[in-house]
Amino acid sequence: AQTVTQSQPEMSVQEAETVTLSCTYDTSESNYYLFWYKQPPSRQMILVIRQEAYKQQNATENRFSVNFQKAAKSFSLKISDSQLGDTAMYFCAFSLNNNDMRFGAGTRLTVKP
Amino acid sequence: ETGVTQTPRHLVMGMTNKKSLKCEQHLGHNAMYWYKQSAKKPLELMFVYSLEERVENNSVPSRFSPECPNSSHLFLHLHTLQPEDSALYLCASSQDEVPNSPLHFGNGTRLTVT
Repeated sequence: AQTVTQSQPEMSVQEAETVTLSCTYDTSESNYYLFWYKQPPSRQMILVIRQEAYKQQNATENRFSVNFQKAAKSFSLKISDSQLGDTAMYFCAFSLNNNDMRFGAGTRLTVKP
Repeated sequence: ETGVTQTPRHLVMGMTNKKSLKCEQHLGHNAMYWYKQSAKKPLELMFVYSLEERVENNSVPSRFSPECPNSSHLFLHLHTLQPEDSALYLCASSQDEVPNSPLHFGNGTRLTVT
């Protein structure tokens, strides 16, 4: 079974600085999909960024980018120019197909003014 | 109204009660999901419905009973729950035939079993 590990339960960063959240996963498959979701205090999980395993180029979405290391099975999220609104729980997720998305335990990120 | 809507937002129930959680999606998706979110644990996939057929049931106790009357609505019927069932229950939807289609989540129902 595929597993997702987020080794940082909590992190903090100063406003306007850069922070990197770690995620590793375990799978024997070669083609899969990876996601980062954000869960603010409102509780609604929101997609931040996604990556297809067959694409070597790292995905970027404005201030959010990933460092996808397929051989190392690593999928870290970098947030640049952190903003107060980035304070949230961040979940890494792995999917072979839509019916079986697996999530990590999450990292609580606090952006300090 | 757009997105995924869950009701109620909060629910407190005794162990002998029967209640239902409701989820409605307005995104035209054909797959819906129930997840359980407990503190400091990964989200647990409970049930998956694709085209109104249940395709996944991850060893969930029978005191949780899902119902999907159509592709826009999903229910989770609860009866004889235990205190350890207290958690945030999240509903999500997606477009099943799109391989990397992300899940769209509702705001969840915070369930407390007393």
